[in-house]
Amino acid sequence: EAQVTQNPRYLITVTGKKLTVTCSQNMNHEYMSWYRQDPGLGLRQIYYSMNVEVTDKGDVPEGYKVSRKEKRNFPLILESPSPNQTSLYFCASTRGNSPLHFGNGTRLTVT
Amino acid sequence: GQSLEQPSEVTAVEGAIVQINCTYQTSGFYGLSWYQQHDGGAPTFLSYNALDGLEETGRFSSFLSRSDSYGYLLLQELQMKDSASYFCAAPGGYSTLTFGKGTMLLVSP
Repeated sequence: EAQVTQNPRYLITVTGKKLTVTCSQNMNHEYMSWYRQDPGLGLRQIYYSMNVEVTDKGDVPEGYKVSRKEKRNFPLILESPSPNQTSLYFCASTRGNSPLHFGNGTRLTVT
Repeated sequence: GQSLEQPSEVTAVEGAIVQINCTYQTSGFYGLSWYQQHDGGAPTFLSYNALDGLEETGRFSSFLSRSDSYGYLLLQELQMKDSASYFCAAPGGYSTLTFGKGTMLLVSP
């Protein structure tokens, strides 16, 4: 089954404790992206990657890092999480001009 | 950059027709997409308009007018399961997709 898999689905952590949210897709898509979703703000792009070893900032990249060492994986790294990074995070992938395929989301709470 | 405006909430009754509007300002325009999201779940693709006019997919249709920087999603024969958030989105070229803030549709019996 074609899918984008994010882990974990839920995560509660404390300020400053480094964490990684994993994202993997099995559709051989070149393009992958991370979004955060907050009430009243919709989906905002954090980082995106057009292919292996090619990443770039989206609209809200501060406090986040990404890497794209393999085509299928695009982890989101929070080196020192803060409470304002409490949010619902989505990973997505696509090829060319096709629609985005989204993962099921990761609900992160930073206390 | 891209900026998309849509109403925050729309209500309707089962069986009715509802239209969700989206106006946009973009530095370059490559078409308008619509996504549906139920209760914080994964957004799913509904439709895409690259050119002016109406695209129909079952009970859902989407319209685009590039001269007016305007599009809409039309949902017919509303069902309770259509209660969800709907997002318009515009690509900024190949690399980015900017979303509107979303419209919550509440369908009542």
